[in-house]
Amino acid sequence: TQLLEQSPQFLSIQEGENLTVYCNSSSVFSSLQWYRQEPGEGPVLLVTVVTGGEVKKLKRLTFQFGDARKDSSLHITAAQPGDTGLYLCAGPLIQGAQKLVFGQGTRLTINP
Amino acid sequence: ETGVTQTPRHLVMGMTNKKSLKCEQHLGHNAMYWYKQSAKKPLELMFVYNFKEQTENNSVPSRFSPECPNSSHLFLHLHTLQPEDSALYLCASSLPPSGGNSPLHFGNGTRLTVT
Repeated sequence: TQLLEQSPQFLSIQEGENLTVYCNSSSVFSSLQWYRQEPGEGPVLLVTVVTGGEVKKLKRLTFQFGDARKDSSLHITAAQPGDTGLYLCAGPLIQGAQKLVFGQGTRLTINP
Repeated sequence: ETGVTQTPRHLVMGMTNKKSLKCEQHLGHNAMYWYKQSAKKPLELMFVYNFKEQTENNSVPSRFSPECPNSSHLFLHLHTLQPEDSALYLCASSLPPSGGNSPLHFGNGTRLTVT
């Protein structure tokens, strides 16, 4: 049983479409981080959400932390081929802990 | 350039070989990590070092032996590995956690194949 479940695992859409991917847990997290990993590279941090209900925007990407701090979503508007990659959510098991648990990721492909 | 450099990028080794993975960070961080990324599985934390001291060993088999001579360098020594150890090994660094929000800075990984 994974602490962080991401869905969908795979998503392939056309350029210009909108999409939402999810990161869910039965546990409460003090914060959640979102990373994007491109082929042949390591994950790169996109955003950290800390407060329940928080919404953060990064250009066409909108991140939301659930009110109960058990889930998060990433919405991409007008997806572009450069958005292609593996999107990972991660959070500390214990507040302040260095040990992050990761979801298995959503592999996103944006077709031109 | 990531600020965290891993070498080699690719490694093929037999089960009886001994090899080492190297990680170097130029970000002034004091915490360094080894993660294992296998297909269809979440990233798995292996080891954590804070100020050169190992603070976490996530039940990793002894055929993996980490070494952290200083806060900028981290090694993973490999010996008598199994084919199921084939994976992408990622090094990361961070400032010591402050409220759990310290992000990880990853290298580009070493793709390891054990034959």
